[in-house]
Amino acid sequence: QSVLTQPPSVSGAPGQRVTISCTGSSSNIGAGYDVHWYQHLPKTAPKLLIYGSTNRPSGVPDRFSGSKSGTSASLAISGLQAEDEADYYCQSYDSSLSGSEVVFGGGTKLTVL
Amino acid sequence: EVQLVESGGGLVQPGRSLRLSCTASGFTFGDYAMSWLRQAPGKGLEWVGFIRSKAYGGTTEYGPSVKGRFTISRDDSKGIAYLQMNSLYAEDTAVYFCARTIVVLTTIRYYFDYWGQGTLVTVSS
Repeated sequence: QSVLTQPPSVSGAPGQRVTISCTGSSSNIGAGYDVHWYQHLPKTAPKLLIYGSTNRPSGVPDRFSGSKSGTSASLAISGLQAEDEADYYCQSYDSSLSGSEVVFGGGTKLTVL
Repeated sequence: EVQLVESGGGLVQPGRSLRLSCTASGFTFGDYAMSWLRQAPGKGLEWVGFIRSKAYGGTTEYGPSVKGRFTISRDDSKGIAYLQMNSLYAEDTAVYFCARTIVVLTTIRYYFDYWGQGTLVTVSS
């Protein structure tokens, strides 16, 4: 059971826009900690897509965008391309009375129809 | 170009130990924190732990599932980060990744800007 909750799968046709949600709680996203997003294709190195909830590293297309509000965050992918088919993970930081740790969502598989 | 290459994975019996290495190139290794993460078969990503740069004390933090069993260390002269894994369980079976870690003492906290391709550790008798 992941600390952050993502939908197991989303899908969209080429050219469409999809969003992937990431829901946390008052000890992580709701506490103000930022969310970071990664793209992972099997047997490859995961790739940083969004950091600090809304920032794109250089080289990441502006088709990818991130947002955060309250205890949730979202990754939006516009102009879907076949190469976007991958697993996507959100990550944040959790701090509570029981300790602090880096936490991930369970991942969302994006299928490009 | 930043490159991270993990090595040392393999088959190990429950209760035994294994040490993984992460060899870095393309950046000043000593300036960065380094993390280990893992992905069990069919599961999502899990943070194992990280080691800060020497400038920030070289201290370590660990996830709850490995605390007390795993130890992260670094050799800045060689550009290598290590993950010493003791008392291994079947549940530790996973692909282990190392990642360069950005530490920001704001709400950003920690994120991983470059990752290796991983090395598979299988714990089984």
